Amino acid sequence: NAGVTQTPKFQVLKTGQSMTLQCAQDMNHNSMYWYRQDPGMGLRLIYYSASEGTTDKGEVPNGYNVSRLNKREFSLRLESAAPSQTSVYFCASRSPYEQYFGPGTRLTVT
Amino acid sequence: GEDVEQSLFLSVREGDSSVINCTYTDSSSTYLYWYKQEPGAGLQLLTYIFSNMDMKQDQRLTVLLNKKDKHLSLRIADTQTGDSAIYFCAESITGRRALTFGSGTRLQVQP
Repeated sequence: NAGVTQTPKFQVLKTGQSMTLQCAQDMNHNSMYWYRQDPGMGLRLIYYSASEGTTDKGEVPNGYNVSRLNKREFSLRLESAAPSQTSVYFCASRSPYEQYFGPGTRLTVT
Repeated sequence: GEDVEQSLFLSVREGDSSVINCTYTDSSSTYLYWYKQEPGAGLQLLTYIFSNMDMKQDQRLTVLLNKKDKHLSLRIADTQTGDSAIYFCAESITGRRALTFGSGTRLQVQP
């Protein structure tokens, strides 16, 4: 099992550009999450998906959209990147008792 | 996360025990977790404890839960340089779909 995988690992964008961060899990979990991690602020939830076809906003959803393509994949899209979105982005999936994280995408917006 | 608080930094000598503390505010927590994050990596689940337990031991790790004081601690025995990382406390709350994380404690282990 690969667990939770994310692509790309690193990305540099110019302000106003768009991109999609990809996430996939092979553990047959229903719930999937997108977090951002900023220094001194821990992890903040952007969006989550309780099951295929459903998505809900988390703590900091502005400037992002998500798509739960199927049970395995949950993508995060930045339509018009801003410097405030410079961060490390983590995808996660969850069993009833445990939450598993991907390796992260380090995004810089200039 | 405003519901979960941790101290920012802890420094210990190699071979000593480390104790990382966490306080939380929501009494409807069901599970509490400890995650480890090494530089440039994702979060790795270390251990978790169900809210009706007081203690859980797993090799060098001991988790203590004081539900009355809403206090969780992680003790690492015989701390090694490889234990240097950021440790996150997180809680699972009834009715919330996502975990709530603290800001993390950076553990520095000096040789």
